[in-house]
Amino acid sequence: DAGVTQSPTHLIKTRGQQVTLRCSPKSGHDTVSWYQQALGQGPQFIFQYYEEEERQRGNFPDRFSGHQFPNYSSELNVNALLLGDSALYLCASSLEFREMGQDTQYFGPGTRLTVL
Amino acid sequence: AQSVTQLGSHVSVSEGALVLLRCNYSSSVPPYLFWYVQYPNQGLQLLLKYTSAATLVKGINGFEAEFKKSETSFHLTKPSAHMSDAAEYFCAVSDRSQAGTALIFGKGTTLSVSS
Repeated sequence: DAGVTQSPTHLIKTRGQQVTLRCSPKSGHDTVSWYQQALGQGPQFIFQYYEEEERQRGNFPDRFSGHQFPNYSSELNVNALLLGDSALYLCASSLEFREMGQDTQYFGPGTRLTVL
Repeated sequence: AQSVTQLGSHVSVSEGALVLLRCNYSSSVPPYLFWYVQYPNQGLQLLLKYTSAATLVKGINGFEAEFKKSETSFHLTKPSAHMSDAAEYFCAVSDRSQAGTALIFGKGTTLSVSS
């Protein structure tokens, strides 16, 4: 059973460019969340997708956008890259249990983005 | 709003010694709490979670944590450290005040284990 997969593993961009990161959730999961982890910090929540819609968003600017596809995979897009966007971007998937509450989020290995 | 504070950015123990990593939370609703571990250049792996059942939660690799509402704490312990436990540990609370299930993480504690 494949876990959460992310691509690419590493990425180098220059300021002002745009980037797209991809995530495939764990088999059977329908919810995808994205996190940004700066060096030496804990992950920070960017947004969460469920039923192909963004249903929760953290304190990130509109330069950060996303998408969820019918097969539950997801993309994270960042426009007008800044040096401060350099970080490890983590994707997590989970299964929505409306009655049972919080299900476990399983994390992928991340994409390391470097902005020069 | 929910938040998490991890006391001590770096903890060092000897192999075989007790491991204690501290986590305090702030939440306006009964929280769901988690401990994750991150090895170098890897993603996060769930160690254990508290979801309002038993207050003493047992996880993988011999770790456990106790939820103490009166102290708003969820400290992680392991009776005997192994070299393989050296990693970064994150405590997280689930943001249940909104429709989604975002995790709010602490800044992490680096555990070093010496022989």
